[in-house]
Amino acid sequence: EAQVTQNPRYLITVTGKKLTVTCSQNMNHEYMSWYRQDPGLGLRQIYYSMNVEVTDKGDVPEGYKVSRKEKRNFPLILESPSPNQTSLYFCASSLSGTGHQPQHFGDGTRLSIL
Amino acid sequence: AQSVSQHNHHVILSEAASLELGCNYSYGGTVNLFWYVQYPGQHLQLLLKYFSGDPLVKGIKGFEAEFIKSKFSFNLRKPSVQWSDTAEYFCAVNGRNAGNMLTFGGGTRLMVKP
Repeated sequence: EAQVTQNPRYLITVTGKKLTVTCSQNMNHEYMSWYRQDPGLGLRQIYYSMNVEVTDKGDVPEGYKVSRKEKRNFPLILESPSPNQTSLYFCASSLSGTGHQPQHFGDGTRLSIL
Repeated sequence: AQSVSQHNHHVILSEAASLELGCNYSYGGTVNLFWYVQYPGQHLQLLLKYFSGDPLVKGIKGFEAEFIKSKFSFNLRKPSVQWSDTAEYFCAVNGRNAGNMLTFGGGTRLMVKP
């Protein structure tokens, strides 16, 4: 089954404790992206990747890191999480980075930073 | 820079009522337009998309949207809603010169009363 898988689905942690949210897709998609969803703000793009070893900042990259060492994986890293990063995070992928390809979303990861 | 505005944050309708959700975008060029739906507790799913051609596009579950270039709008419509349409709806825009960067509106939460 074609899917985007995120782990963990839920995480409660404390300020400053490094964490990684994994994202994996099995559709051989070139393009992957991370969003955060906050009430009233919709989804805002954090980082995206057009292909392996190619990553770029989205609208709200501060406080986050990503890597794309393999095509299927695109982890989101919070080196020193802070309470304002409490949010619902979605990973997405699409066949290519040409803009007209619809994105496939994961089920989301709800992060609470205390 | 591209931006999207969804003016209705919350909409409450009775079953069989007609639905129209507003979406206006800002971008000085050709755009790709999308509507995504997020059912409670689930990830975003594509409802419909517009790239070119007929400005009236039909999507899944009886939804349609009309692209009006002169108004920078892409409103979502459904002639008769059902209780199962209760969800949050997101309009998104991709400017053709913005790579695969997708900008979402703040979302409209629709509740359909049985």
